[in-house]
Formats: sequence, structure tokens, C-alpha cells
Amino acid sequence: GENVEQHPSTLSVQEGDSAVIKCTYSDSASNYFPWYKQELGKRPQLIIDIRSNVGEKKDQRIAVTLNKTAKHFSLHITETQPEDSAVYFCAATVTGGGNKLTFGTGTQLKVEL
Amino acid sequence: GAVVSQHPSWVICKSGTSVKIECRSLDFQATTMFWYRQFPKQSLMLMATSNEGSKATYEQGVEKDKFLINHASLTLSTLTVTSAHPEDSSFYICSASGQAGRQPQHFGDGTRLSIL
Repeated sequence: GENVEQHPSTLSVQEGDSAVIKCTYSDSASNYFPWYKQELGKRPQLIIDIRSNVGEKKDQRIAVTLNKTAKHFSLHITETQPEDSAVYFCAATVTGGGNKLTFGTGTQLKVEL
Repeated sequence: GAVVSQHPSWVICKSGTSVKIECRSLDFQATTMFWYRQFPKQSLMLMATSNEGSKATYEQGVEKDKFLINHASLTLSTLTVTSAHPEDSSFYICSASGQAGRQPQHFGDGTRLSIL
């Protein structure tokens, strides 16, 4: 089955700096890669996703890049703000193949003033 | 749109009690729902896939007799933790998607289960 690795496990940045979180996946058939933000005790919230037919997607301060050959994808947050502090999870799945998401281990992002 | 409601949000009960958690899709029909378990500071671990009108598919290592799943309608799936024990204490989260194979999944608020 799919295996998703995520790094780093913790990330501390100064407000205004950029943050990058990286994930690798094992199943070359995976074609959908969402990123979720989870605040303590709350639901995971989808912040951005990318499908395998594109290499990059951007939404304001958030961007995701995908390298299918290397089987890795990354989340980029620019101009970080304190409210960006949370745990971020990457995930991967094969759409139409049961639709199960395999999650990475999570990254605790702390944005310091 | 795409709202998933989960109830209750918090349960505290005695060991041996059975606990039912509901997951509802409020503004769309969910042919597939997923149940996850999350321990503190850990990732979401898929427990089972719930398909409307058919038996749930459980992940390896998840006891189907312990975690009963029912998906009787296109908007409701329930997870019953039977004869709960302290080791079952965790954060349980459901998610739902529309047509099979459609993404993204939408998550409920989660249920924090504490067994004394």
C-alpha cells in the first residue's frame, strides 16, 4: 500500500519568513495530493491540493509543488503569520481506487513573533 | 457547502460502555465515509471505509466486532465502540466524499472519547 513520509516533524520560523514542508510517497499510481491544516483539538481543514496532471498550484500565500518522477511534493507558505501556527498533514491517494487517503506524520509549524 | 457534522464532540464514560458516534453530511450525499483515529501528537490513522448500503471495509489490525460501522443512508454513518476500555480513548474523526473516487474529503469536528 501507499506510504507517505513527511519532514520536518517540527518547524519554527520567524513571522514573515517562508516555511517549506516536504512529503514523499511510494505508490506511483497516486494522483491526488491534499494538504490539511489542523489546529489543536479541531478538524483537519483542506488548505490546498494538487492533482498529478499539474506540477504547481498556488493560492495566495500557499503553494504546492509536485515532482511525479521523484514522487515528492512540497507545501510552501510565504509571509508566515502567527495564525499559520498549526499541524500540517500531507496526504496521497489514487482517485477512484477506493479513495483512501494516506496521511503523512505531520509537521508542527510554529510562527514566532 | 460540503459540511460534515459529527456528534457528540466529547464523551466521557465508564469502562465497558458502548459509545455511538454519528457522522452526517449536511448538504451533500456521501456514498463513502471514512473513520479515522488520532492519538495525541500523531497522524490520522484510517480505521475503516464506510459505503452506503454495504459492509464497511476495515483496515488491517482494526477489530470489526469492536468498532461497528453502519452506513444506512447517503447522509449518515455511525461508529459504535463496543465495550469500550481505557485504551480506546482517542480522538475519532469522520470524513465524507461524494461520488466514489471524488476528492476532496470533508472532515467532521471529531469526537474526543475518554474511557474511565
